Amino acid sequence: QVQLQESGPGLVQPSETLSLTCTVSGDSIRSFFWTWIRQPAGGGLEWIGRIYTSGTTNYNPSLKSRVSMSIDVSKREFSLTLTSVTAADTAMYYCARDSSGWTFSDAFDIWGQGTQVTVSS
Amino acid sequence: QSVLTQPPSASGTPGQRVTISCSGGSSNVGPNNVHWYQHLPGAAPALLIYRNNERPSGVADRFSGSKSGTSASLAISGLRSEDEADYYCAAWDDRLSGWVFGGGTKLTVL
Repeated sequence: QVQLQESGPGLVQPSETLSLTCTVSGDSIRSFFWTWIRQPAGGGLEWIGRIYTSGTTNYNPSLKSRVSMSIDVSKREFSLTLTSVTAADTAMYYCARDSSGWTFSDAFDIWGQGTQVTVSS
Repeated sequence: QSVLTQPPSASGTPGQRVTISCSGGSSNVGPNNVHWYQHLPGAAPALLIYRNNERPSGVADRFSGSKSGTSASLAISGLRSEDEADYYCAAWDDRLSGWVFGGGTKLTVL
């Protein structure tokens, strides 16, 4: 049974860089898209971006200038970096498995429990 | 402002049938699958309906989905108190080359 676990600092200073890692256990990390989604308190879900095991990425256009993702297949983990953060980036951050193929879209079938990130001095 | 449009709230009494709509456009819902997620309080979102109308194993058949044109719907029959949650639709957007969500619908069981 595949499980995802987010990790990273819960508090980030304004203008600094937010870095999170998601560790995949229970199944192969290969041949899937891996995605990051966030939810501010009282708000809805926002897709941040995704990365394939080859390293190919897609990012939310609204965040593209500040986002980067990487993947380490040998460690079975993928990471999110968000630069120049502000209070608006305070949210619960989830990692999830995107079971889409290259020519069709499919669902986020496995989710991590989420990690709260607060941007504050 | 979410790309996909959902009503912010819905409600029903136990045993009733409730539907939640998800309206999109020609670059997202129209050509692509719609998926629904249930977000219970204090838990991570979970897949509820995939590929418009498919249920993952373990999801009760009280939940069903449909899609027509650029709109989709989630129906919940035999409403139960434990169905009280936020529900989100999502679809891939070909123009944005990314996933888009609805704003979420908060379901209250009266």
